[in-house]
Amino acid sequence: GAGVSQTPSNKVTEKGKYVELRCDPISGHTALYWYRQSLGQGPEFLIYFQGTGAADDSGLPNDRFFAVRPEGSVSTLKIQRTERGDSAVYLCASSFAGTRGYNEQFFGPGTRLTVL
Amino acid sequence: GIQVEQSPPDLILQEGANSTLRCNFSDSVNNLQWFHQNPWGQLINLFYIPSGTKQNGRLSATTVATERYSLLYISSSQTTDSGVYFCLLNQGGKLIFGQGTELSVKP
Repeated sequence: GAGVSQTPSNKVTEKGKYVELRCDPISGHTALYWYRQSLGQGPEFLIYFQGTGAADDSGLPNDRFFAVRPEGSVSTLKIQRTERGDSAVYLCASSFAGTRGYNEQFFGPGTRLTVL
Repeated sequence: GIQVEQSPPDLILQEGANSTLRCNFSDSVNNLQWFHQNPWGQLINLFYIPSGTKQNGRLSATTVATERYSLLYISSSQTTDSGVYFCLLNQGGKLIFGQGTELSVKP
């Protein structure tokens, strides 16, 4: 596709449930990033993939959060035992190179997660 | 870690006015981007500008890496410029967004 796509656009779930959020990066981009944005704040870094591997997962808040990118393209962010504090917009971005090279990032529209 | 400060936090302009938004950072950075987050939440790329000056229509940006700041200039503002403007820094592989400047342009 022409840009980064994310699905679903909105997700409402109940406390304690498991959710998966999907990101389709721009074709040819080897680097993929996940961020979380709470209301009124700037996005916060969660995890960065270079190819299939997680090059930096230092932003994941705890072990309920996990992300995969098995074929080096589509990525899935997985949240177990959701809590109300997980409610936020989850943003995905991609770039040609990783954080140590030219890496202009392009963002998807985000998934708004609401945990009731 | 690196500290990022954007100013002003809020700005209200009359249509047609000019403005300057600032992004200060506390340490050297590998690169820097400016984004506009529109009212629907989409982050729109404005500039990839680790150093120097770039212009795109009514917008321009300057990064002075040695003095640790970047400026975004908006000239002849339009109501469609409303939204939040963010800088994103990459410092040695660490990615940090500023807190944003919320711009409101009134007709």
